[in-house]
Amino acid sequence: SQQGEEDPQALSIQEGENATMNCSYKTSINNLQWYRQNSGRGLVHLILIRSNEREKHSGRLRVTLDTSKKSSSLLITASRAADTASYFCATGSGGYQKVTFGTGTKLQVIP
Amino acid sequence: NAGVTQTPKFQVLKTGQSMTLQCAQDMNHEYMSWYRQDPGMGLRLIHYSVGAGITDQGEVPNGYNVSRSTTEDFPLRLLSAAPSQTSVYFCASSYSRSGQVSTEAFFGQGTRLTVV
Repeated sequence: SQQGEEDPQALSIQEGENATMNCSYKTSINNLQWYRQNSGRGLVHLILIRSNEREKHSGRLRVTLDTSKKSSSLLITASRAADTASYFCATGSGGYQKVTFGTGTKLQVIP
Repeated sequence: NAGVTQTPKFQVLKTGQSMTLQCAQDMNHEYMSWYRQDPGMGLRLIHYSVGAGITDQGEVPNGYNVSRSTTEDFPLRLLSAAPSQTSVYFCASSYSRSGQVSTEAFFGQGTRLTVV
């Protein structure tokens, strides 16, 4: 089974609103990353947070990590129509760092 | 800088045929991996490699072989294609140091494979 599970599976919001998506994982990790995938394209890296970090910001993105709850959240503030995409969390764990992805959250931002 | 290049972009195979999906990166990344993406399943790890000559299985390795003879190339071989292998395949690479993948993964544009 997959390491990460995103919640919700789908999210529809109006432009300008904030979007929050969550990721839960099962085993200890070294880092957690978030990726965006536009329809029919490859994944693009957004942000990486290490296991000893609790919060990280990058532009309109804010990521939190709670290792005690084995969960992370991605907040996109002031969403734009161009943010419409699927968002995946990915965890790095294991001695040789397998990177495994969750099932994704499909975000639709309505203009 | 080409990044990660996958070929072909599209492929149709008949059941039982074999083929190789090519993946090449020009960033001198040690870590490379193959995923398949199916509707509702997200990305599932097929095989990965932490360096030339070293490969290991991921979550769904059955029916696939890999090898890593050079740092740049990481081909994925389908031994005897089955309809269940119809999927979109992504190759990715990352910088790693001492076995730790510490930076972002760079993805290819994907290969859409249909097995009939």
